[in-house]
Amino acid sequence: AQSVSQHNHHVILSEAASLELGCNYSYGGTVNLFWYVQYPGQHLQLLLKYFSGDPLVKGIKGFEAEFIKSKFSFNLRKPSVQWSDTAEYFCAVTAYNNNDMRFGAGTRLTVKP
Amino acid sequence: GAVVSQHPSWVICKSGTSVKIECRSLDFQATTMFWYRQFPKQSLMLMATSNEGSKATYEQGVEKDKFLINHASLTLSTLTVTSAHPEDSSFYICSAQGQYNEQFFGPGTRLTVL
Repeated sequence: AQSVSQHNHHVILSEAASLELGCNYSYGGTVNLFWYVQYPGQHLQLLLKYFSGDPLVKGIKGFEAEFIKSKFSFNLRKPSVQWSDTAEYFCAVTAYNNNDMRFGAGTRLTVKP
Repeated sequence: GAVVSQHPSWVICKSGTSVKIECRSLDFQATTMFWYRQFPKQSLMLMATSNEGSKATYEQGVEKDKFLINHASLTLSTLTVTSAHPEDSSFYICSAQGQYNEQFFGPGTRLTVL
């Protein structure tokens, strides 16, 4: 079964700093990749997803992620974070022909105003 | 679009009682729904996959007789925690699968068992 690793548990940035959150997965076959965000007190929302095609995926709120197959990675980036980006970010993966979604442990992002 | 609701949003019950949590896809039909548990400051742990019209598939270590799942229609799945105990206290989250295997999450239900 697939698994997901998020190496950064807690990231603290100042506003306008650039963000990159790491996500690595382990699975030998074709995968679908996702980033979800959970704002304080709210439910999970889909930021972006990758299924096929251009490995650079753009999502909502200025986020993007790049799928690098050779590195089994799907890192999330944002060039300039805002205080409102403070949230928990989860990377997730499903195998191409499987419903099972596996989540990483999550990365808590704190943006200082 | 793609809104998923859960009811109730929170519930407090006595030990030994049963609690039912509903998960509804409001503006789309979902053949497959999922139930997760989330402990404080931890990630989501998949409990079971719920398929409309058939039995749920449970993850290893999840007691199917304790966590009863019913997916009677394309817009509703229910999770019943039977004979709840304090260790069942948790945040339960459902999701409904979209057409591209993405999942749309409900707001969660906080269960507290006294």
